[in-house]
Amino acid sequence: GNSVTQMEGPVTLSEEAFLTINCTYTATGYPSLFWYVQYPGEGLQLLLKATKADDKGSNKGFEATYRKETTSFHLEKGSVQVSDSAVYFCARGRGNEKLTFGTGTRLTIIP
Amino acid sequence: GAVVSQHPSRVICKSGTSVKIECRSLDFQATTMFWYRQFPKQSLMLMATSNEGSKATYEQGVEKDKFLINHASLTLSTLTVTSAHPEDSSFYICSARDPGGGNEQFFGPGTRLTVL
Repeated sequence: GNSVTQMEGPVTLSEEAFLTINCTYTATGYPSLFWYVQYPGEGLQLLLKATKADDKGSNKGFEATYRKETTSFHLEKGSVQVSDSAVYFCARGRGNEKLTFGTGTRLTIIP
Repeated sequence: GAVVSQHPSRVICKSGTSVKIECRSLDFQATTMFWYRQFPKQSLMLMATSNEGSKATYEQGVEKDKFLINHASLTLSTLTVTSAHPEDSSFYICSARDPGGGNEQFFGPGTRLTVL
């Protein structure tokens, strides 16, 4: 079946550090790929998405590139801020299918 | 982007009572809504898919008589936790699919249920 494997956390970084959160997906069909962010006590917000191979999604300094050859969609940010502390979820979905989520990665940025 | 609201945001109830949670799409019509449950420090678990005008589709292991879902209109789905018990305490999140937005799902802010 469809699945998403996400880097386990928690991840703790210093402010201005470089961030990578790994995500790989099963390549059944041609899914769209998503990164969602969940701030404490809130629901999920779409951070970025990519709908086809080689697409790059970007938002708020975060980027992820849809890599078909490695079935990956790693999340990166060049310089993290304290306000980026949250839980990040990688997900895949196709057409009218339900979304399949990774387990989530808790990120904590310390000043 | 599209907005999905949930009400209430937080509810505390006594064991044995029923609790209704509303999920509304505010600026689009959603033929499909989803209900998720999230345990502390864990990922989202899809409970059911709510289809307007028809019965909900429940995931394996989710009791449909325990978690009643009604999707009576294109902008409203409700989840009723019947005869709630402390183990039902959780964070419940809904999402709504926007057919005019490439079928993208938009999530509500969640409802924190605490059963005493």
